[in-house]
Amino acid sequence: NAGVTQTPKFRVLKTGQSMTLLCAQDMNHEYMYWYRQDPGMGLRLIHYSVGEGTTAKGEVPDGYNVSRLKKQNFLLGLESAAPSQTSVYFCASSYVGLSGGLQETQYFGPGTRLLVL
Amino acid sequence: QQQVKQSPQSLIVQKGGISIINCAYENTAFDYFPWYQQFPGKGPALLIAIRPDVSEKKEGRFTISFNKSAKQFSLHIMDSQPGDSATYFCAASTGALITGTYKYIFGTGTRLKVLA
Repeated sequence: NAGVTQTPKFRVLKTGQSMTLLCAQDMNHEYMYWYRQDPGMGLRLIHYSVGEGTTAKGEVPDGYNVSRLKKQNFLLGLESAAPSQTSVYFCASSYVGLSGGLQETQYFGPGTRLLVL
Repeated sequence: QQQVKQSPQSLIVQKGGISIINCAYENTAFDYFPWYQQFPGKGPALLIAIRPDVSEKKEGRFTISFNKSAKQFSLHIMDSQPGDSATYFCAASTGALITGTYKYIFGTGTRLKVLA
């Protein structure tokens, strides 16, 4: 049981380049999230998904797009990278409890460190 | 309204001492208050969490104290150990994802160092 995995672990991009970050979870969780972590700013939610085929904007969605074509995968895309997108990106997932209520614990992946030059 | 303010930014404690990290929130709709622990190079992991219907929750050496009227909550680490050296994040959340009112706001983090 790998939990939440992220690829790649590290990437360097030039301004204007595009890339996709992949998040995969093997816990059959319904909900998945993308955060960015910057020094002194904690974790900020970029986009999230409540199920396969559905996505929603978080706190800082500009410059990013996401897709959830399969329940276990959540992709984060940068169409035209900017230096301001240099950050550590974390994916997380959570599940719905037996009673139907959202279980609040978020399970995080190990992160992707992105440097945009 | 959405902020969760965390202090201090960094903390140095002697082994065996008590580490205290504080958080304050503004949105009274928050109904879940977790603390996450993050080691270098790793993702955050849930440490302990509390809901506003109780004033304190203890799990081993970790205790959350919650003051609803003051809109503050804190993490106490008793008998702090070098292995507790990590960054700690408080968070607050509200609402269910499916209603569209979902918020999960993290504090800015506290870097704790426990000296041996």
